[in-house]
Amino acid sequence: QVQLQESDPGLVKPSETLSLTCSVSGASIRGHYWSWIRQFPGRGLEWVAYFYNSVTTNYNPSLKSRATMSVDTSKQQFSLRLSSVTAADTAVYYCARLGKADYISFDYYYFDFWGRGTLVTVSS
Amino acid sequence: DIVMTQSPLSLSVTPGEPASISCTSSQSLLHSNGHNYLDWYLQKPGQSPQVLIYLGSKRASGVPDRFSGSGSGTDFTLKISRVEAEDVGVYYCMQALQGPRTFGGGTKVDIK
Repeated sequence: QVQLQESDPGLVKPSETLSLTCSVSGASIRGHYWSWIRQFPGRGLEWVAYFYNSVTTNYNPSLKSRATMSVDTSKQQFSLRLSSVTAADTAVYYCARLGKADYISFDYYYFDFWGRGTLVTVSS
Repeated sequence: DIVMTQSPLSLSVTPGEPASISCTSSQSLLHSNGHNYLDWYLQKPGQSPQVLIYLGSKRASGVPDRFSGSGSGTDFTLKISRVEAEDVGVYYCMQALQGPRTFGGGTKVDIK
C-alpha cells in the first residue's frame, strides 16, 4: 500500500517561504507522477504542482512562479517551496500520487493515493 | 482555466434512498479519444479525498458498485443508488483535460 506523509511547517510568516516535504513509502518515487494539492479553509481544492522522474514539472499558473518542486530519490521524498506567502496561502496541503489508470489503451492519471494533509497557516 | 460548477451545495439523504450530484464544466471535457476527462472524489469527514470515478464513468478499484458516473461534454452526474451511512462527506468533481486540473466547489452529503 502506498503511503504519503507531509511534514508539518505549522505557522509561516507573511512574505517568507513555505517549505513542505512529502515522504513516500510503498512505491518508488521513480516512474510516477507526484503532486501537491491544497484545500482552503472554505473547503475549495486547488491543484498546486506535479513532477515526474525529477525531469518534468508543471505548476499551476495561479501561483505566479512562486512554487518550486524538488525530489530526493535516495530519501523517497519530494518537496514544495512556496515563496512570498500571504494569508491567501493558508490551507491544508496534501501530497498525492497521480496513478496511471489500468486496462485502458491510452495514458490517464488520477489522484489515487493522498497524504493526510498538513495545515499551514500564514500569519505574523 | 476550466471552471467546474457543482449542484446542489448540500444534500440530506435517507439511508437506502438514491442521491444524485451534478457537475458542469465551462468547456467540453470530451477528449478526441472519445473519453471524458472527469473524475469524482469523496472526502469523508476528517480524511483526505479519495477517488471514486475516473474518465467520467469508470469506478476506481475498491469502489462499491452503488456509485456510478455518467454524462459527456459539459454535463456530468454522480449517482449513488442506495446511500449508506459511510457515504457521508463532500463530493468533488475534477477536470483533467486541459490546463491546471480544477475542482468543483463540492457537494456535502449527510444522512437524514
